[in-house]
Amino acid sequence: DADVTQTPRNRITKTGKRIMLECSQTKGHDRMYWYRQDPGLGLRLIYYSFDVKDINKGEISDGYSVSRQAQAKFSLSLESAIPNQTALYFCATGTGSTDTQYFGPGTRLTVL
Amino acid sequence: QKEVEQNSGPLSVPEGAIASLNCTYSDRGSQSFFWYRQYSGKSPELIMFIYSNGDKEDGRFTAQLNKASQYVSLLIRDSQPSDSATYLCAVTPDSNYQLIWGAGTKLIIKP
Repeated sequence: DADVTQTPRNRITKTGKRIMLECSQTKGHDRMYWYRQDPGLGLRLIYYSFDVKDINKGEISDGYSVSRQAQAKFSLSLESAIPNQTALYFCATGTGSTDTQYFGPGTRLTVL
Repeated sequence: QKEVEQNSGPLSVPEGAIASLNCTYSDRGSQSFFWYRQYSGKSPELIMFIYSNGDKEDGRFTAQLNKASQYVSLLIRDSQPSDSATYLCAVTPDSNYQLIWGAGTKLIIKP
């Protein structure tokens, strides 16, 4: 029973295509995050949301947009995908007074 | 710029020995410190967190925090081949629920 799910798990697309990655959680957490991970680099924050009406840009938001459709759903869009957006994308959640984050299984995105 | 530094490794440790992983951070006001384990192609999973100076133990894992020297370490006792993974250090600079991540240390436990 996965608490944080991501779809799709793998996606290959072409340059210029619009792509949406979806994240759902059953943890009941208010905070949700989107990260990308590239080989040899740490996790980099793309966007984060503290509740449905509170969405914030992270370190590398250019070329990405997000939608928080409900407390449990947070989607990441690449409006016009480019090859350097090829990466592993993770959704994470958090709650309460701690900063602990819990991760989904990831989406491996390849842009040709 | 707030940074978290880790030696990329790989760090090779014999089975049964103690593995020692280190992490330094640049923001002296950092509040919370986390260690995550990540197997290849998988998502990070929380091992433990520490907020106060000193040691915190959880089973075979011990986190050590020294705020004066701005480093946090993770000790793994009785290392097992299943401990082979990349270990990520993460720090919360201002307790604003955002984590700054190190690039990770790859640990290899040799049978």
